[in-house]
Amino acid sequence: SQQGEEDPQALSIQEGENATMNCSYKTSINNLQWYRQNSGRGLVHLILIRSNEREKHSGRLRVTLDTSKKSSSLLITASRAADTASYFCATRGGMIYNQGGKLIFGQGTELSVKP
Amino acid sequence: DTGVSQDPRHKITKRGQNVTFRCDPISEHNRLYWYRQTLGQGPEFLTYFQNEAQLEKSRLLSDRFSAERPKGSFSTLEIQRTEQGDSAMYLCASSPASLRSYNEQFFGPGTRLTVL
Repeated sequence: SQQGEEDPQALSIQEGENATMNCSYKTSINNLQWYRQNSGRGLVHLILIRSNEREKHSGRLRVTLDTSKKSSSLLITASRAADTASYFCATRGGMIYNQGGKLIFGQGTELSVKP
Repeated sequence: DTGVSQDPRHKITKRGQNVTFRCDPISEHNRLYWYRQTLGQGPEFLTYFQNEAQLEKSRLLSDRFSAERPKGSFSTLEIQRTEQGDSAMYLCASSPASLRSYNEQFFGPGTRLTVL
């Protein structure tokens, strides 16, 4: 079963606008990751934030993590048509419960950026 | 290309047939994962290997499913007596087993299975 819930399920914006996607999860985590999936293709890792971090940046991406609320957000600034994809959050549980590092994915947000 | 590769990319089969998928991970990665993804959903974990040892299996992996990684390199996922509910994208991922880069997984393009 999926651990995460993502919001919104679909988002449509114009090129140049910012896109914000949210993710909530249920159990304690070691880290939270965001992946992108283009239509019909595999997943690409975007960014990872550890449970003791609150915010992380990578290029046009900004991720926040609130472990007290069990939630995370992904902000893509100055969006481009090439950002059109599905975005998934994935959590990795703590070492005691998840020695192998399996990822638990949310249902994803489908982002459409119109030129 | 030194990424994760999967073969075939697409497979159409009739209900009741057996199918086998192959995954070639990044060569220096000793962890290998299988996930299943249905339309509109995120990937769901099926099983994972460290080298040749299968260390964890999801309850999603019924007895019709079997996975192997005989020499700790490539892996195969076999589905016996396929059912229409098995139709999905089967994704393979690999990662190195070191603490520093323990977390990021590198995904292949997937095998899309359609069971008629």
